[in-house]
Amino acid sequence: DTAVSQTPKYLVTQMGNDKSIKCEQNLGHDTMYWYKQDSKKFLKIMFSYNNKELIINETVPNRFSPKSPDKAHLNLHINSLELGDSAVYFCASSHLAGQTYEQYFGPGTRLTVT
Amino acid sequence: AQSVTQLDSHVSVSEGTPVLLRCNYSSSYSPSLFWYVQHPNKGLQLLLKYTSAATLVKGINGFEAEFKKSETSFHLTKPSAHMSDAAEYFCVVRPSNDYKLSFGAGTTVTVRA
Repeated sequence: DTAVSQTPKYLVTQMGNDKSIKCEQNLGHDTMYWYKQDSKKFLKIMFSYNNKELIINETVPNRFSPKSPDKAHLNLHINSLELGDSAVYFCASSHLAGQTYEQYFGPGTRLTVT
Repeated sequence: AQSVTQLDSHVSVSEGTPVLLRCNYSSSYSPSLFWYVQHPNKGLQLLLKYTSAATLVKGINGFEAEFKKSETSFHLTKPSAHMSDAAEYFCVVRPSNDYKLSFGAGTTVTVRA
């Protein structure tokens, strides 16, 4: 009964490939997020969806494309992978507003591009 | 715009001694503040949150934090460190007019036996 789950946990691939990361939450939240954590552990928001609508779209290369088929799922597709894309990607979910809008994070996907 | 400054990049303590992790923030609007912990190769776990109720907030695993508006600070403390507290800690701010969280750079805590 994991709250926020991500697959895969590890992803090793070569430059130029296309890959996807999947995220699912069973907390009944209406909002989901993708974060990138670099090698210095700095966390940066990439995207957010609220009820399948994109509400946060930070300055991210357009090789990155999120997709939210429903409120409980948010996937991240990356085209033409580059060495600099190597990082840990975290999915998170929350209510957008109200008293309980703290975010809950998944275990992360460690992407290594060689 | 909001920002978060964690004043120590690394804190080392002996087991059984107090832990203090310092965080200062700036925010144009009344913020909500959070502390998250990240153990090695794990996701982030919420320790505690401040959302304009009591200024002294108690969290999980014996941690607490005090919101001081006059000092724009939200320092995290624990009276007695345990080996399992060794981890990365993030101070996080969310202003009342935005969905986005701003993360501090993190503080690495090591606990000596």
